[in-house]
Amino acid sequence: DGGITQSPKYLFRKEGQNVTLSCEQNLNHDAMYWYRQDPGQGLRLIYYSQIVNDFQKGDIAEGYSVSREKKESFPLTVTSAQKNPTAFYLCASTISARIDSNQPQHFGDGTRLSIL
Amino acid sequence: DAKTTQPPSMDCAEGRAANLPCNHSTISGNEYVYWYRQIHSQGPQYIIHGLKNNETNEMASLIITEDRKSSTLILPHATLRDTAVYYCIVRVKRTSYGKLTFGQGTILTVHP
Repeated sequence: DGGITQSPKYLFRKEGQNVTLSCEQNLNHDAMYWYRQDPGQGLRLIYYSQIVNDFQKGDIAEGYSVSREKKESFPLTVTSAQKNPTAFYLCASTISARIDSNQPQHFGDGTRLSIL
Repeated sequence: DAKTTQPPSMDCAEGRAANLPCNHSTISGNEYVYWYRQIHSQGPQYIIHGLKNNETNEMASLIITEDRKSSTLILPHATLRDTAVYYCIVRVKRTSYGKLTFGQGTILTVHP
């Protein structure tokens, strides 16, 4: 079955530690996204990538980094510079991020990150 | 962004149709309406989307008014597993990267 796989489901970070969240898709989608969701709130865009080897900052990129070396993979690193990393992280993808595309985004099941 | 307004919560009896309204009076002519739902501790699940014609798929139907200022998501035979937060979203077309803006949504509770 095609889909988006996020791992791990739960992750704990120690103070001063960087952690990497995995996102893999086998949908052959060009565009991928990382969102953050805090309790009772909507999603906020961290980073997005329209195509391999390209990515752009979203609304809340500070303290995060990404890479897009392969079409199917878009890992997110939460660095020690992110002072409030506890949240639910969601990865999404869509066929194309072009302005004329109406195709929906599909989401993974998320990674819940907590601070020890 | 085209703002959407949804009731904060709704109830529905199992087996009955659930009709979830959404107001998007500032929608632009080429902006689509998307519906997602999120079950606790899971990622949002895409349900359906449309521009101006009514749409139906295996999950739901989407009815968009002729003036496009509002829409209704219809789950024809609600089950307990349909209990979730339902989000109505108008995608911002003028950006080139398709950011989705999720509001507070409607908490649908399906009861036996």
